[in-house]
Amino acid sequence: RKEVEQDPGPFNVPEGATVAFNCTYSNSASQSFFWYRQDCRKEPKLLMSVYSSGNEDGRFTAQLNRASQYISLLIRDSKLSDSATYLCVVKSGGFKTIFGAGTRLFVKA
Amino acid sequence: EAQVTQNPRYLITVTGKKLTVTCSQNMNHEYMSWYRQDPGLGLRQIYYSMNVEVTDKGDVPEGYKVSRKEKRNFPLILESPSPNQTSLYFCASRGGQNTGELFFGEGSRLTVL
Repeated sequence: RKEVEQDPGPFNVPEGATVAFNCTYSNSASQSFFWYRQDCRKEPKLLMSVYSSGNEDGRFTAQLNRASQYISLLIRDSKLSDSATYLCVVKSGGFKTIFGAGTRLFVKA
Repeated sequence: EAQVTQNPRYLITVTGKKLTVTCSQNMNHEYMSWYRQDPGLGLRQIYYSMNVEVTDKGDVPEGYKVSRKEKRNFPLILESPSPNQTSLYFCASRGGQNTGELFFGEGSRLTVL
């Protein structure tokens, strides 16, 4: 079993749609959680950190469920520019950072 | 401008010909790491370094070497490249153990024939 698992998609949604991605992790001792965005053939960039209480940044909402060991990302009012691969990232204590394989999103006009 | 710089960005080489991919960061970060990205597998860590002269294996270190003689540089060395090392490589840096965000270089696409 992979340490961090994501649905690879692709998710094909129309502009304006709401889309949600989930991610599960296997190490219950994991401490920090993030969503990164990666455009085609580009480097990953931090989208947002994920906090236990849940957090929102504009159209993006991230939530963490420690009991069930999953993380979610909700994108509201999807834009064409949201088309990318979204990487779930889990950091255990110390320096170990595990990346999910990513979920591809295509937003269409 | 704060950045992580990798070179070369693209390289085609042949089996057994030693090569080095350089990585440099200008943010005075302690932590640096190398990843490879393959379709369906995501980013997998090759080696990481917590500080100068401190390096450790990641999940897929076989066939690779690294060094950290200076804080800003963390080169990745392929002593005898093989076709299964054809991949997209990313170097990343982070400020410290408890600092979450990783800053990535633009990537180096390596093809080994």
